[in-house]
Amino acid sequence: AQSVTQPDIHITVSEGASLELRCNYSYGATPYLFWYVQSPGQGLQLLLKYFSGDTLVQGIKGFEAEFKRSQSSFNLRKPSVHWSDAAEYFCAVGAGRLGNNDMRFGAGTRLTVKP
Amino acid sequence: DTGVSQNPRHKITKRGQNVTFRCDPISEHNRLYWYRQTLGQGPEFLTYFQNEAQLEKSRLLSDRFSAERPKGSFSTLEIQRTEQGDSAMYLCASSFFQHFTDTQYFGPGTRLTVL
Repeated sequence: AQSVTQPDIHITVSEGASLELRCNYSYGATPYLFWYVQSPGQGLQLLLKYFSGDTLVQGIKGFEAEFKRSQSSFNLRKPSVHWSDAAEYFCAVGAGRLGNNDMRFGAGTRLTVKP
Repeated sequence: DTGVSQNPRHKITKRGQNVTFRCDPISEHNRLYWYRQTLGQGPEFLTYFQNEAQLEKSRLLSDRFSAERPKGSFSTLEIQRTEQGDSAMYLCASSFFQHFTDTQYFGPGTRLTVL
Protein backbone atom coordinates (compact mmCIF):
# COMPACT_ATOMS: atom_id res chain seq x y z
CA ALA A 1 0.00 0.00 0.00
CA GLN A 2 1.08 3.55 -0.57
CA SER A 3 2.50 5.70 2.22
CA VAL A 4 3.66 9.23 2.86
CA THR A 5 6.50 10.55 4.99
CA GLN A 6 6.79 14.13 6.10
CA PRO A 7 10.23 14.24 7.72
CA ASP A 8 9.78 17.55 9.51
CA ILE A 9 7.35 17.59 12.40
CA HIS A 10 7.75 21.30 13.08
CA ILE A 11 9.32 24.12 11.10
CA THR A 12 9.78 27.74 12.12
CA VAL A 13 10.45 30.46 9.56
CA SER A 14 10.53 34.23 9.69
CA GLU A 15 7.83 36.20 7.97
CA GLY A 16 8.98 37.04 4.45
CA ALA A 17 11.40 34.11 4.27
CA SER A 18 11.06 31.29 1.80
CA LEU A 19 9.55 27.95 2.77
CA GLU A 20 9.98 24.37 1.67
CA LEU A 21 8.06 21.51 3.26
CA ARG A 22 9.23 18.02 2.41
CA CYS A 23 7.08 15.09 1.37
CA ASN A 24 8.22 11.65 0.28
CA TYR A 25 5.84 8.99 -0.92
CA SER A 26 5.94 5.31 -1.58
CA TYR A 27 3.77 3.90 -4.33
CA GLY A 28 4.38 1.48 -7.15
CA ALA A 29 2.66 3.40 -9.89
CA THR A 30 2.19 7.05 -10.78
CA PRO A 31 0.58 8.58 -7.74
CA TYR A 32 -1.99 11.26 -7.30
CA LEU A 33 -0.46 13.77 -4.88
CA PHE A 34 -2.04 16.45 -2.75
CA TRP A 35 -1.13 19.12 -0.24
CA TYR A 36 -3.72 20.23 2.31
CA VAL A 37 -3.52 22.89 5.02
CA GLN A 38 -5.32 22.74 8.36
CA SER A 39 -5.76 25.66 10.72
CA PRO A 40 -6.39 24.90 14.41
CA GLY A 41 -9.76 23.26 14.97
CA GLN A 42 -10.60 23.36 11.27
CA GLY A 43 -10.96 20.90 8.44
CA LEU A 44 -8.47 20.51 5.63
CA GLN A 45 -8.24 22.96 2.75
CA LEU A 46 -6.81 21.81 -0.56
CA LEU A 47 -3.72 23.80 -1.58
CA LEU A 48 -2.79 21.98 -4.77
CA LYS A 49 -2.74 18.62 -6.49
CA TYR A 50 -0.76 16.65 -9.04
CA PHE A 51 -2.38 14.09 -11.30
CA SER A 52 -0.23 14.17 -14.44
CA GLY A 53 1.48 16.52 -16.86
CA ASP A 54 3.64 19.43 -15.78
CA THR A 55 5.56 18.39 -12.69
CA LEU A 56 5.50 21.91 -11.21
CA VAL A 57 2.01 22.70 -10.00
CA GLN A 58 0.67 25.97 -8.75
CA GLY A 59 -1.82 26.23 -5.95
CA ILE A 60 -3.71 28.76 -3.93
CA LYS A 61 -2.17 31.32 -1.58
CA GLY A 62 1.05 31.48 -3.61
CA PHE A 63 2.10 27.87 -2.97
CA GLU A 64 3.67 25.56 -5.51
CA ALA A 65 4.92 21.99 -5.45
CA GLU A 66 7.20 19.95 -7.66
CA PHE A 67 6.76 16.26 -8.39
CA LYS A 68 10.10 14.46 -8.71
CA ARG A 69 9.61 10.84 -9.64
CA SER A 70 13.31 9.97 -9.27
CA GLN A 71 13.26 11.14 -5.66
CA SER A 72 9.69 10.06 -4.87
CA SER A 73 9.10 13.54 -3.58
CA PHE A 74 6.46 16.23 -3.78
CA ASN A 75 7.83 19.18 -1.83
CA LEU A 76 5.76 22.27 -1.15
CA ARG A 77 7.30 25.71 -1.58
CA LYS A 78 6.43 29.33 -1.08
CA PRO A 79 8.83 32.19 -1.88
CA SER A 80 7.69 34.53 0.91
CA VAL A 81 5.79 33.34 3.96
CA HIS A 82 3.05 35.41 5.58
CA TRP A 83 2.04 35.22 9.24
CA SER A 84 -1.33 33.81 8.15
CA ASP A 85 0.42 30.74 6.71
CA ALA A 86 1.01 29.39 10.22
CA ALA A 87 -0.88 26.09 10.25
CA GLU A 88 -0.48 22.33 9.88
CA TYR A 89 0.36 21.06 6.41
CA PHE A 90 -0.45 17.57 5.20
CA CYS A 91 0.84 15.76 2.15
CA ALA A 92 -1.31 12.93 0.81
CA VAL A 93 -1.06 10.25 -1.84
CA GLY A 94 -4.17 8.91 -3.46
CA ALA A 95 -4.47 5.57 -5.11
CA GLY A 96 -6.94 2.82 -5.58
CA ARG A 97 -8.65 0.84 -8.19
CA LEU A 98 -11.29 3.49 -8.56
CA GLY A 99 -9.81 6.91 -8.10
CA ASN A 100 -8.52 8.23 -4.82
CA ASN A 101 -10.57 5.91 -2.68
CA ASP A 102 -7.52 4.95 -0.64
CA MET A 103 -5.89 8.21 0.35
CA ARG A 104 -2.98 8.10 2.75
CA PHE A 105 -1.84 11.16 4.64
CA GLY A 106 1.47 12.03 6.21
CA ALA A 107 1.64 12.93 9.88
CA GLY A 108 1.84 16.62 9.02
CA THR A 109 4.31 19.47 9.42
CA ARG A 110 3.43 22.28 11.79
CA LEU A 111 4.55 25.67 10.50
CA THR A 112 5.28 28.51 12.89
CA VAL A 113 5.92 31.97 11.46
CA LYS A 114 8.06 34.39 13.44
CA PRO A 115 7.38 38.12 13.11
CA ASP B 1 -20.67 28.87 -1.51
CA THR B 2 -21.90 25.67 0.13
CA GLY B 3 -18.97 23.50 1.10
CA VAL B 4 -19.06 20.30 3.08
CA SER B 5 -20.86 20.74 6.39
CA GLN B 6 -20.72 18.58 9.48
CA ASN B 7 -22.88 18.49 12.57
CA PRO B 8 -22.41 18.73 15.40
CA ARG B 9 -19.04 20.48 15.50
CA HIS B 10 -18.38 19.21 19.00
CA LYS B 11 -19.76 16.26 20.92
CA ILE B 12 -19.04 15.30 24.49
CA THR B 13 -20.37 11.96 25.64
CA LYS B 14 -19.91 9.44 28.37
CA ARG B 15 -18.26 6.10 27.79
CA GLY B 16 -20.75 3.51 26.64
CA GLN B 17 -23.12 5.94 24.95
CA ASN B 18 -23.89 5.90 21.23
CA VAL B 19 -23.16 8.94 19.07
CA THR B 20 -24.12 9.87 15.53
CA PHE B 21 -22.51 12.46 13.30
CA ARG B 22 -23.93 13.95 10.13
CA CYS B 23 -22.17 15.07 6.97
CA ASP B 24 -23.74 17.07 4.14
CA PRO B 25 -21.54 16.95 1.03
CA ILE B 26 -21.14 19.52 -1.70
CA SER B 27 -24.19 19.19 -3.90
CA GLU B 28 -23.66 17.08 -7.03
CA HIS B 29 -20.70 15.29 -5.46
CA ASN B 30 -21.20 11.58 -5.87
CA ARG B 31 -18.58 10.40 -3.40
CA LEU B 32 -18.46 10.87 0.33
CA TYR B 33 -15.58 9.84 2.62
CA TRP B 34 -15.17 9.53 6.38
CA TYR B 35 -11.84 9.91 8.18
CA ARG B 36 -10.65 9.95 11.77
CA GLN B 37 -7.87 12.27 12.90
CA THR B 38 -6.16 11.91 16.25
CA LEU B 39 -3.89 14.49 17.81
CA GLY B 40 -0.64 14.95 15.96
CA GLN B 41 -1.60 12.66 13.10
CA GLY B 42 -2.94 12.96 9.60
CA PRO B 43 -6.44 11.83 8.73
CA GLU B 44 -7.02 8.08 8.66
CA PHE B 45 -9.45 6.74 6.08
CA LEU B 46 -12.48 4.89 7.46
CA THR B 47 -15.01 4.34 4.69
CA TYR B 48 -16.50 5.84 1.57
CA PHE B 49 -19.65 5.89 -0.52
CA GLN B 50 -20.33 6.34 -4.17
CA ASN B 51 -23.88 7.59 -4.34
CA GLU B 52 -25.69 5.40 -1.82
CA ALA B 53 -23.38 2.40 -2.14
CA GLN B 54 -20.75 1.86 0.55
CA LEU B 55 -17.82 0.64 -1.53
CA GLU B 56 -15.24 0.21 1.20
CA LYS B 57 -15.82 -0.47 4.87
CA SER B 58 -13.04 -2.83 5.81
CA ARG B 59 -11.09 0.05 7.33
CA LEU B 60 -13.77 0.96 9.84
CA LEU B 61 -12.04 0.64 13.18
CA SER B 62 -14.35 -1.93 14.73
CA ASP B 63 -17.86 -3.28 14.43
CA ARG B 64 -18.96 -0.48 16.73
CA PHE B 65 -18.52 1.90 13.79
CA SER B 66 -21.07 2.09 11.01
CA ALA B 67 -21.98 4.57 8.31
CA GLU B 68 -24.93 5.14 6.03
CA ARG B 69 -25.80 7.29 3.05
CA PRO B 70 -29.38 6.25 2.44
CA LYS B 71 -30.35 8.53 -0.43
CA GLY B 72 -26.94 9.29 -1.83
CA SER B 73 -26.88 12.76 -0.30
CA PHE B 74 -26.05 13.25 3.38
CA SER B 75 -24.31 10.59 5.42
CA THR B 76 -24.20 9.58 9.06
CA LEU B 77 -21.42 7.94 11.03
CA GLU B 78 -22.46 6.13 14.19
CA ILE B 79 -20.25 4.89 16.98
CA GLN B 80 -21.90 2.52 19.41
CA ARG B 81 -20.76 1.93 22.98
CA THR B 82 -18.16 4.68 22.80
CA GLU B 83 -14.77 4.21 24.43
CA GLN B 84 -12.26 6.83 25.54
CA GLY B 85 -10.03 5.80 22.65
CA ASP B 86 -12.70 7.00 20.24
CA SER B 87 -11.96 10.60 21.20
CA ALA B 88 -10.78 12.25 17.99
CA MET B 89 -11.78 14.56 15.17
CA TYR B 90 -14.05 12.90 12.62
CA LEU B 91 -13.74 14.42 9.17
CA CYS B 92 -15.99 14.07 6.18
CA ALA B 93 -14.97 14.80 2.60
CA SER B 94 -16.83 14.76 -0.68
CA SER B 95 -15.77 14.59 -4.31
CA PHE B 96 -17.02 14.21 -7.84
CA PHE B 97 -15.57 11.03 -9.26
CA GLN B 98 -15.11 10.90 -13.01
CA HIS B 99 -12.45 9.76 -15.45
CA PHE B 100 -11.03 7.41 -12.81
CA THR B 101 -10.05 10.10 -10.33
CA ASP B 102 -11.40 12.66 -7.90
CA THR B 103 -10.36 15.44 -5.53
CA GLN B 104 -11.64 15.41 -1.98
CA TYR B 105 -12.96 18.52 -0.24
CA PHE B 106 -13.17 18.37 3.52
CA GLY B 107 -15.66 19.61 6.04
CA PRO B 108 -14.74 21.31 9.33
CA GLY B 109 -14.98 18.06 11.29
CA THR B 110 -16.76 16.89 14.43
CA ARG B 111 -14.62 16.73 17.55
CA LEU B 112 -15.66 13.87 19.82
CA THR B 113 -14.68 13.74 23.47
CA VAL B 114 -15.51 10.57 25.38
CA LEU B 115 -15.39 10.98 29.16
